Amino acid sequence: GDSVTQMEGPVTLSEEAFLTINCTYTATGYPSLFWYVQYPGEGLQLLLKATKADDKGSNKGFEATYRKETTSFHLEKGSVQVSDSAVYFCALHRSNFGNEKLTFGTGTRLTIIP
Amino acid sequence: ETGVTQSPTHLIKTRGQQVTLRCSSQSGHNTVSWYQQALGQGPQFIFQYYREEENGRGNFPPRFSGLQFPNYSSELNVNALELDDSALYLCASSPGQGKNTEAFFGQGTRLTVV
Repeated sequence: GDSVTQMEGPVTLSEEAFLTINCTYTATGYPSLFWYVQYPGEGLQLLLKATKADDKGSNKGFEATYRKETTSFHLEKGSVQVSDSAVYFCALHRSNFGNEKLTFGTGTRLTIIP
Repeated sequence: ETGVTQSPTHLIKTRGQQVTLRCSSQSGHNTVSWYQQALGQGPQFIFQYYREEENGRGNFPPRFSGLQFPNYSSELNVNALELDDSALYLCASSPGQGKNTEAFFGQGTRLTVV
């Protein structure tokens, strides 16, 4: 079955540092890949997505590229801010018509220190 | 346009009891999915409803059941509660089905079973 393996946390960085959160997946076919973010006390928000190989998703300075050859979708940001502190989830979207679901990784807690 | 709303926000139940959680989907969305997020884990897919019919289910026992109403709002029912059912329950709605469909999440219901 589908699975997502995500970099273990927690991750603590100083403001303006470079961020990478690793994500790899196991799946057949061509799923879509997502990064969701969960701020304290809130639900999940879609951060970015990519629907096919070599697509790059980007939003709010974050980027991730769908690499089918390495089955990866690593999240990167060049200069993090305190406001980026949150839990980040990598997810795989399986869409067989009439049966859809998201498979999530375990999440990576990111803390940015001023 | 209102987002996805869930009620209640917090709930404490005793082992063996039954619970009903509610979700109002975003306007125009006909698909609702439910996820269970245990502490420190990623969300796990419970089931999905599309136009009032269950059309996908994860690895959860039959005591987890649901409904979707004509206005596309939904309920999650859990019978014979167990301590391990303590978790954040997330509802997500989407406007249809397909590879590029984005799911919008509510803030969740925190269920504690004692």
